[in-house]
Amino acid sequence: GDSVTQMEGPVTLSEEAFLTINCTYTATGYPSLFWYVQYPGEGLQLLLKATKADDKGSNKGFEATYRKETTSFHLEKGSVQVSDSAVYFCALGETSGSRLTFGEGTQLTVNP
Amino acid sequence: DAMVIQNPRYQVTQFGKPVTLSCSQTLNHNVMYWYQQKSSQAPKLLFHYYDKDFNNEADTPDNFQSRRPNTSFCFLDIRSPGLGDAAMYLCATSRDMGAQETQYFGPGTRLLVL
Repeated sequence: GDSVTQMEGPVTLSEEAFLTINCTYTATGYPSLFWYVQYPGEGLQLLLKATKADDKGSNKGFEATYRKETTSFHLEKGSVQVSDSAVYFCALGETSGSRLTFGEGTQLTVNP
Repeated sequence: DAMVIQNPRYQVTQFGKPVTLSCSQTLNHNVMYWYQQKSSQAPKLLFHYYDKDFNNEADTPDNFQSRRPNTSFCFLDIRSPGLGDAAMYLCATSRDMGAQETQYFGPGTRLLVL
């Protein structure tokens, strides 16, 4: 079945550092890819998405490019802020329906 | 603002005592989902409704049931909660079915079982 693998956390960075969180996937068909963010005690918020190969999703300084050749959707941000501290989930929207398959999540902590 | 609302945010129940969690949406979306998220884990889909059609995940325990009386509301019933059912329960909606459809999540209800 479809699956998503995220880099293990936790990740700790200093403010203004560059962020990369790796995400790779295994899927049949033509999935869509998503990054969701979860702040402590809250639900998931959509950060960005890409629906086909070579699409780039971007939002709030975060970017990710749907790479079919490497089956990846890595999340990047050039300069993180303390307010970016949260758990980040990579997710795959299966072509067979509406099920989202999530990665295990990566805890990011940004220190001042 | 259109949104997904979950009540209550925190729910405490006793072992074996039935409990109901509620979700409402003002997005007028066709699909509503219930996820279970245990501590430091990814959300796990329990079931979803497409309009009035109920779709249960194969590994969802029989202890979990759901009702969707109308487009706006969806309920999660846990008939006999066990200690292992303590988790965050997330409701989500999407406009339609399909890989590219975005799911919009509520803030979650954290369930504690004593």
